[in-house]
Amino acid sequence: DTGVSQNPRHKITKRGQNVTFRCDPISEHNRLYWYRQTLGQGPEFLTYFQNEAQLEKSRLLSDRFSAERPKGSFSTLEIQRTEQGDSAMYLCASSSEDQFFGPGTRLTVL
Amino acid sequence: EDQVTQSPEALRLQEGESSSLNCSYTVSGLRGLFWYRQDPGKGPEFLFTLYSAGEEKEKERLKATLTKKESFLHITAPKPEDSATYLCAVRVRGTALIFGKGTTLSVSS
Repeated sequence: DTGVSQNPRHKITKRGQNVTFRCDPISEHNRLYWYRQTLGQGPEFLTYFQNEAQLEKSRLLSDRFSAERPKGSFSTLEIQRTEQGDSAMYLCASSSEDQFFGPGTRLTVL
Repeated sequence: EDQVTQSPEALRLQEGESSSLNCSYTVSGLRGLFWYRQDPGKGPEFLFTLYSAGEEKEKERLKATLTKKESFLHITAPKPEDSATYLCAVRVRGTALIFGKGTTLSVSS
């Protein structure tokens, strides 16, 4: 399967803990995106990488969130000091032109 | 403020009963309109990209059209496996997509 993959698929954590998610894009895509989706809403943009450079960040990306894409391959999204409001599906997408999404990581903060 | 509104929020159809989903947008400078299908607990699946008014694209029982203010996703003779949430998104500046809330379609046999 050459689609976008994300790990883990599910994460349950306690408030105040740090969590890290990984995204492996489609190999030939140099653009990578992170979105967040809550129940009943469409995905909301968080950040965008072209190769290893982080070029766009949403106002939704608070100081507790950090994303990296070392060497322009896989990407990680870290949330520090998680809050209950961080509970959501975190989606990764990659593109050359059209954006293709991964299966998402479902985060539950207790 | 750029905005995408989808209607209806939910739609129930009988198998074979054709219908249309609407996506209206208020943006400054459209650089592409996108349709995705999303099944529960999964990531959105890419369907179509439309760039200019008058453009149409088809895939199996789905046909997407675009005007200057809205897009329609027409579903012809739907089957139960077409049940999903259909998301509309626009690209205005940069590369980020702005999504609507989606239309949840249920097709019963």
